[in-house]
Amino acid sequence: DIVLTQTPLSSPVILGQPASISCRSSQSLVHSDGNTYLSWLQQRPGQPPRLLVYRVSDRFSGVPDRFSGSGAGTDFTLKISRVEAEDVGVYYCMQVTQFPFTFGQGTRLEIQ
Amino acid sequence: QLHLQESGPGLVKPSETLSLTCTVSGASISSGDYHWGWIRQPPGKGLEWIGNLYNGVSTSYNPSLQSRVTISIDTSKNQFSLKLYSVTAADTAVYYCAKIATGWGQGTLVTVSS
Repeated sequence: DIVLTQTPLSSPVILGQPASISCRSSQSLVHSDGNTYLSWLQQRPGQPPRLLVYRVSDRFSGVPDRFSGSGAGTDFTLKISRVEAEDVGVYYCMQVTQFPFTFGQGTRLEIQ
Repeated sequence: QLHLQESGPGLVKPSETLSLTCTVSGASISSGDYHWGWIRQPPGKGLEWIGNLYNGVSTSYNPSLQSRVTISIDTSKNQFSLKLYSVTAADTAVYYCAKIATGWGQGTLVTVSS
């Protein structure tokens, strides 16, 4: 199984400041079709997960442009350019390149 | 607009079978190159992929659960279902159905207890 390791596990941030979450994969996430199927999800308290970014850097419909994804191969990053109060929650990376699909442990974003 | 809704019992006894159904509107689960799946989240913990349907035909399961899981489809109702056999307290979780990973149901809490 592909193991996804997120850092940090907890991130206290100041409103208006940037935040960054890293996701490292135990093996390359490049699919045989050439795409890299690494997604980022946001889970606000008491809500289901919501897709933010797919295929490393494609922002999903309706997601604010302060969220951006980057990376390649085994190292990926989610950046929030200016944190807002509504961004509080847990962020997960997820890979659907290879079965079984797997998730990172989650990173809790909280306002300092 | 895509909408997914889980339904099923909220309480299951140990050793029995957990059965959930996901009703989908706004998309056909039997067409297109999409994965329709089940994910669970134990209270206070992270996400675990259970398994999914692809192209309305093929299924894939998490090896850790494969011996106890079946996912099936009812195209006439645009629903897909999860059966998890021989449950224990460790199967207590919020169960989500999803069009992986673009759309998620609200989730349903299933508690395994006598």
